[in-house]
Formats: sequence, C-alpha cells, structure tokens
Amino acid sequence: EAGVVQSPRYKIIEKKQPVAFWCNPISGHNTLYWYRQNLGQGPELLIRYENEEAVDDSQLPKDRFSAERLKGVDSTLKIQPAELGDSAVYLCASSSRGLETQYFGPGTRLLVL
Amino acid sequence: AQSVTQLGSHVSVSEGALVLLRCNYSSSVPPYLFWYVQYPNQGLQLLLKYTTGATLVKGINGFEAEFKKSETSFHLTKPSAHMSDAAEYFCAVTGRAGTALIFGKGTTLSVSS
Repeated sequence: EAGVVQSPRYKIIEKKQPVAFWCNPISGHNTLYWYRQNLGQGPELLIRYENEEAVDDSQLPKDRFSAERLKGVDSTLKIQPAELGDSAVYLCASSSRGLETQYFGPGTRLLVL
Repeated sequence: AQSVTQLGSHVSVSEGALVLLRCNYSSSVPPYLFWYVQYPNQGLQLLLKYTTGATLVKGINGFEAEFKKSETSFHLTKPSAHMSDAAEYFCAVTGRAGTALIFGKGTTLSVSS
C-alpha cells in the first residue's frame, strides 16, 4: 500500500514569493492533516479536513495561507506571500475514519530567503 | 486541552545500553498516546500507540512504552540500543480519534559505539 505522498520535497524561494505544496493521502483515508514543524520543535496542526470540508483551521494564518482539498482526495497548501518565518517543514498526514493513527508523508522542507 | 512534555531534549547512550525517553502528558479526557520516530529529512514513523486496554504496549524495533495514568506518563524504553536507533523521537497525545495530535518538542537520541 502506498504511503502519503508529498511534493516537492524541498523548496527554496525568495520572501514575498508564492509557494504551494501538494499532498496525496493514503487511498481511502478521509481525514487529511497539514502540520508545520519548525526547527527543533514538534509538528503543529495547521488545518484538518474530513473529506473535502475543512473542520479545524483555527491555527491557519489565513492572511497568507490557504488550502484546498477538492474531491476529498489530494490537497494543496499555499502561502502567498511567503515570509522568512515560514521556513519550516510542512508535513501532511492522513487517517481512516474513526481511527486514531495518523500516517505521515516525508514532508516538504521550505527555506525562505 | 492536551499538552506533552518530553524531559531531556538530548539523550546519549552507548550501543547495547538501555534506552529511556521520558514523556509526561496532560489531558482532560482519556488520552490516546503515541510515540513517533523521525530520521533526518524524513517524515514521522509510528513506533507504538496506547488507546485502551493493556497499559504496556509493544512497538516496532524492540521499543515499548507503559501508560501510567497516576503519573500521567508514557515513557519509551528499549532494553538494548542499536546504532540505527539514533533519531528524533516525538511523544504525542490526542483526546479523540481523527483530531489533531499535540506533540512534545522531541528528544534526540544519540547512540555511540
């Protein structure tokens, strides 16, 4: 069974530029999560989807971050414009309905210069 | 609300020695508890989890953890460290399946020969 797929794996951009990350969850998993992991810290939730509905986006900086999960499968997280403080690893995870285990992708490492 | 405290940001052991990584949690509801491992430039891999039932849980690669409600702890142990165990370890908690994991800051395990 394929795991959670993320792309790109690495991204370097100049500040004020836009950037987008893509995630394809494990087949059949209805819940999708985006986490941000700052250097030396544990991951923190940005947004959680159940199917195509964002059910928890309280920690998403909505002035510059946006996300979508069309058709309830893959998802895109966008930052526009990026700031220096956005440099981090962005992790996508998925889980099956009603189950507690979250499976993580390899992450996208973003560096904003 | 939940929180996690991992005591010791860095633990060093010799190959063959006991590994003990400490995790204390706070939760207003019965917790689901997890240990994940992260190797450099990779995502998080589930080591083990506690949901209900037996308080001593066994995971992959010889790791185990014991849920102690009275001490609000979920410490991770391995009887004999191997060089390949060197990685970052994260303890996490959630109060309900399908919701955000709350992570500790992580503990870096170093193993020397």
